[in-house]
Amino acid sequence: GQNIDQPTEMTATEGAIVQINCTYQTSGFNGLFWYQQHAGEAPTFLSYNVLDGLEEKGRFSSFLSRSKGYSYLLLKELQMKDSASYLCAVKDSNYQLIWGAGTKLIIKP
Amino acid sequence: IAGITQAPTSQILAAGRRMTLRCTQDMRHNAMYWYRQDLGLGLRLIHYSNTAGTTGKGEVPDGYSVSRANTDDFPLTLASAVPSQTSVYFCASSAGTHNEQFFGPGTRLTVL
Repeated sequence: GQNIDQPTEMTATEGAIVQINCTYQTSGFNGLFWYQQHAGEAPTFLSYNVLDGLEEKGRFSSFLSRSKGYSYLLLKELQMKDSASYLCAVKDSNYQLIWGAGTKLIIKP
Repeated sequence: IAGITQAPTSQILAAGRRMTLRCTQDMRHNAMYWYRQDLGLGLRLIHYSNTAGTTGKGEVPDGYSVSRANTDDFPLTLASAVPSQTSVYFCASSAGTHNEQFFGPGTRLTVL
């Protein structure tokens, strides 16, 4: 079966750095996406990786290793507004997104 | 309209009733999707449409139907609602199957 694993919840301190991991087992791979979802709101796109390596976008970076079935999202200089759930999703061989359950990130002052 | 809109925002429905959730996008995206999101589970794909006039089944299609008569609209119909269909429903669209998806604000549906 297809499976996306990410931690259920993480806590970090304002101003610090946090890394959210995602491992996947899917039928085929056509890219990995990270989305942010604030409570009660819709998911919004953060990043896309299709080749191995690090993609940096401001305070957020995303890393992919296809051979290990592994990705992480790195958030730097954490702000209170970064408190949200972070969703990892893999596009499979049918170009459909398979979603993880999400990691709830709690930022403390 | 800017982006994707969904209606209604929320609904309480008696079991056995028929219900249509509406979704409209103004980005001229070819692909559209319906997901449900339940606590502790990832988003699960119900149905999708890669282009107007075509639809396909996702991971959890039973009890739901869709149509795609034009590019902008992608309604989701529950023919006879059951309590297990209580969920938050998100509509999404993308320019193509290779592109990121943009989500509507969601419909919170409760079936009693």
